[in-house]
Amino acid sequence: RKEVEQDPGPFNVPEGATVAFNCTYSNSASQSFFWYRQDCRKEPKLLMSVYSSGNEDGRFTAQLNRASQYISLLIRDSKLSDSATYLCVVNASSSASKIIFGSGTRLSIRP
Amino acid sequence: ETGVTQSPTHLIKTRGQQVTLRCSSQSGHNTVSWYQQALGQGPQFIFQYYREEENGRGNFPPRFSGLQFPNYSSELNVNALELDDSALYLCASSLELPNNEQFFGPGTRLTVL
Repeated sequence: RKEVEQDPGPFNVPEGATVAFNCTYSNSASQSFFWYRQDCRKEPKLLMSVYSSGNEDGRFTAQLNRASQYISLLIRDSKLSDSATYLCVVNASSSASKIIFGSGTRLSIRP
Repeated sequence: ETGVTQSPTHLIKTRGQQVTLRCSSQSGHNTVSWYQQALGQGPQFIFQYYREEENGRGNFPPRFSGLQFPNYSSELNVNALELDDSALYLCASSLELPNNEQFFGPGTRLTVL
């Protein structure tokens, strides 16, 4: 079993739709969680950190469920510019860093 | 632009050779992490340096080694190159530990023939 798993997609949704991704992680001691976005042939960029209480940034909402060991990302009112690969990131160690990226979920927004 | 730079942008090597990739971190950042990203995959964590000391390592063999300098720039060295080492190598810098936002450079595309 992979340490961090994501549905690879692709998710193909119309503009204005709401779309949600989940990401599961295997190490219950994992300390921090992030969502990154990566455009084709570009480097990853931080979309948002994921806090235990959940957090929202505009159209984006991230949540953490420690009991079930997953994090989620919800995108409301999707825009064409949201088309990208969304990477789930987990720091699986409490001491030295052990940063694990999921394989990414591809999202394509159609007009 | 993140302020993280990497050199070279592209590199072609043959099997068995050695390669050194370089990364300059964003100003004020003392932590650098290196990743290998194969096509269609997420970045795989190689190792992290914090204030010139290795602070965590992924599942990569010892022929992947690194260094961080007093100015917090960093090098990734790979010995005895194999065909499977062909990938995009990304470095990311962050401010302090443990779990701050990482800013990625544009990457070095390594091709091993």
